[in-house]
Amino acid sequence: GESVGLHLPTLSVQEGDNSIINCAYSNSASDYFIWYKQESGKGPQFIIDIRSNMDKRQGQRVTVLLNKTVKHLSLQIAATQPGDSAVYFCAERVHGNEKLTFGTGTRLTIIP
Amino acid sequence: GAGVSQSPSNKVTEKGKDVELRCDPISGHTALYWYRQSLGQGLEFLIYFQGNSAPDKSGLPSDRFSAERTGGSVSTLTIQRTQQEDSAVYLCASSPLGPSSTDTQYFGPGTRLTVL
Repeated sequence: GESVGLHLPTLSVQEGDNSIINCAYSNSASDYFIWYKQESGKGPQFIIDIRSNMDKRQGQRVTVLLNKTVKHLSLQIAATQPGDSAVYFCAERVHGNEKLTFGTGTRLTIIP
Repeated sequence: GAGVSQSPSNKVTEKGKDVELRCDPISGHTALYWYRQSLGQGLEFLIYFQGNSAPDKSGLPSDRFSAERTGGSVSTLTIQRTQQEDSAVYLCASSPLGPSSTDTQYFGPGTRLTVL
């Protein structure tokens, strides 16, 4: 089976509850942030993004919050479903730089 | 429409052998990226192409790694004289324009490389 993520931070949430996944980023010059979802055996899938001139952005069942003062990013998932179980990565990018720098990820498990 | 595809999906090789990993980006996407994901780690940027050019190769771990892109489409990542520490999932992504925009990068399923 998939063994990626044995050392990842984990979060277990009851189905139907809300979940919050946190990420601390490192570069104060980063101006663009993305959350990705990675299911076992698949590549990362884009969830939502936010630019540094915003502090909140909402999508379908997901909200991203950005606190530039403390360099903190969070992903809120409302009314979690079994299909939300995955590893979630935040990524940051400095304007004009091609590199996305990824965090180590958080494994979210939804308890039925 | 078709997403990013990668081949092979799994590759097992012996230490010292060369391997080639292939990426087919989404049609029309100008930018193409290679990342490596080691066990229990996040994604590590390797190289990016804008068209057929690779402006920044500094993410490549060693001179055993090389990549090319032809016709602004397919890309090949080559690892020569593979070592056990090269074992990882190699992910390819593409985006319509390039990194200076806020284009979403669309990822392929990856190639899992195991070096024995």
